[in-house]
Amino acid sequence: EVRLVESGGVVVQPGGSLRLSCAASGFTFDKYTMHWVRQAPGKGLEWVSVISWDGSTTYYADSVKGRFTVSRDNSKNSLFLQMNSLRTEDTAFYYCTRTDHVMIIYGGFDPWGLGTLVTVSS
Amino acid sequence: DIQMTQSPSSLSASVGDRITITCRASQTISSYLNWYQQKPRKAPKLVIHATSTLQRGVPSRFSGSGSGTDFTLTITSLQPEDFATYYCQQSYASPFTFGPGTKVDIK
Repeated sequence: EVRLVESGGVVVQPGGSLRLSCAASGFTFDKYTMHWVRQAPGKGLEWVSVISWDGSTTYYADSVKGRFTVSRDNSKNSLFLQMNSLRTEDTAFYYCTRTDHVMIIYGGFDPWGLGTLVTVSS
Repeated sequence: DIQMTQSPSSLSASVGDRITITCRASQTISSYLNWYQQKPRKAPKLVIHATSTLQRGVPSRFSGSGSGTDFTLTITSLQPEDFATYYCQQSYASPFTFGPGTKVDIK
C-alpha cells in the first residue's frame, strides 16, 4: 500500500522556523516527483513546492519563495520542507503528495498524506 | 502565473442528478487539467487527471472533458458519497495552481 505520513506540525511564533517531514512507503520513492500542498482551515488548496525524483529540480509558490526550502533523502524515503520566517498566513494543514507517474514533474497528484497542521501565532 | 476559476462555487443537488462543474484557465494548459474530490476533514483525492482519464478505482459516473482553457467535470447519477468539494488544478506549469473549489451539497 502506498502511504505518505507527514509530521512536524506545531504551534510556532511569527518569524520562527519549522521543518516538516513526510515518510513514504509502499512505492519506489526515488522514481517519483514529490509536492507540498497546503490548506488554511476552511479555505481552498494552495500548491507550495515541488521536488523532482532526483532532487535536481525544485519550484516554489511565490508566497513562500525565499522562505521555504524543499528537499528529499531518497535513501530514507523521506521528503522535507524547511520553513523559515514564518508568517501568520502560513497557518495551514500541509499535505505531502506525489505526481502519480514515474519520473515526470507534470501530472496529477496521488496519493496524499493526511496532513500536518502548522499554526503560526504569538 | 496561470489562474484557475471554477463555476459554480457551490451547488445543491439530489441523489441521481447529473451535475457539471466548469473550470477555466487564464491561458492554455493543453490537457494538463486534474480534478480532486475533498470531503470534510479528509485529504483530497485525485478523481480525473489529464482532463479525461479516470483515476484507478473512481466510478465511471465521473467524466471530464475540455482542452485549452475550458474544462468540465460531470457526474451522472449523483450518489451520496459524491457530496464533497471539487477542485480543478493545472499541472501544465509551475506554480501548479488550484481552482477555488465547488462545493456540492445535498438539496
